[in-house]
Amino acid sequence: AQKVTQAQTEISVVEKEDVTLDCVYETRDTTYYLFWYKQPPSGELVFLIRRNSFDEQNEISGRYSWNFQKSTSSFNFTITASQVVDSAVYFCALSEAAGRRALTFGSGTRLQVQP
Amino acid sequence: ETGVTQTPRHLVMGMTNKKSLKCEQHLGHNAMYWYKQSAKKPLELMFVYSLEERVENNSVPSRFSPECPNSSHLFLHLHTLQPEDSALYLCASSQGTSAYNEQFFGPGTRLTVL
Repeated sequence: AQKVTQAQTEISVVEKEDVTLDCVYETRDTTYYLFWYKQPPSGELVFLIRRNSFDEQNEISGRYSWNFQKSTSSFNFTITASQVVDSAVYFCALSEAAGRRALTFGSGTRLQVQP
Repeated sequence: ETGVTQTPRHLVMGMTNKKSLKCEQHLGHNAMYWYKQSAKKPLELMFVYSLEERVENNSVPSRFSPECPNSSHLFLHLHTLQPEDSALYLCASSQGTSAYNEQFFGPGTRLTVL
């Protein structure tokens, strides 16, 4: 069965600090996809990144970076020089190529960036 | 036009009421989803529609009844709900239902059942 664990329920940082959001997943499938979504106070989930299980290259997009490590079944998300606008709930999610048709989400990490 | 819209944004209903949630996607996608987001649980998938056919029903109580009249519209009909059904109901769409398809979400309907 697939499972996603985000152990950090809430994180509070001060603006300009770096912050890493942890995501650990479980799956029996060899082909799977990992996602990060951001949920701002307005409610809609915003897609940030998708990674497939065969691509362990780290990715950087502006202040965002992602570290995918199959050896530890982790897909961590780092925000560099955080800003108040980064305040949101962040969800990690998993989908299996051979499994059900939709995403399995973690419980989310609420990030508060204080000015 | 925003990609995925949901109406109403907020809804308060009694346990004997009948109401419907509406979702519309303007992205040309062919798959649509309903999720439930409760305060103390991860996002839970409720229903999946692909090409207007229901392809997944995640053991949802019959008091929730989905309808997908075309690939752009999705409804969730509600009747005789319970207070524990109070939650944020999110609609999403994607181009296909393969594992790699990212889903695009609407802003949700905040439902309160009294």
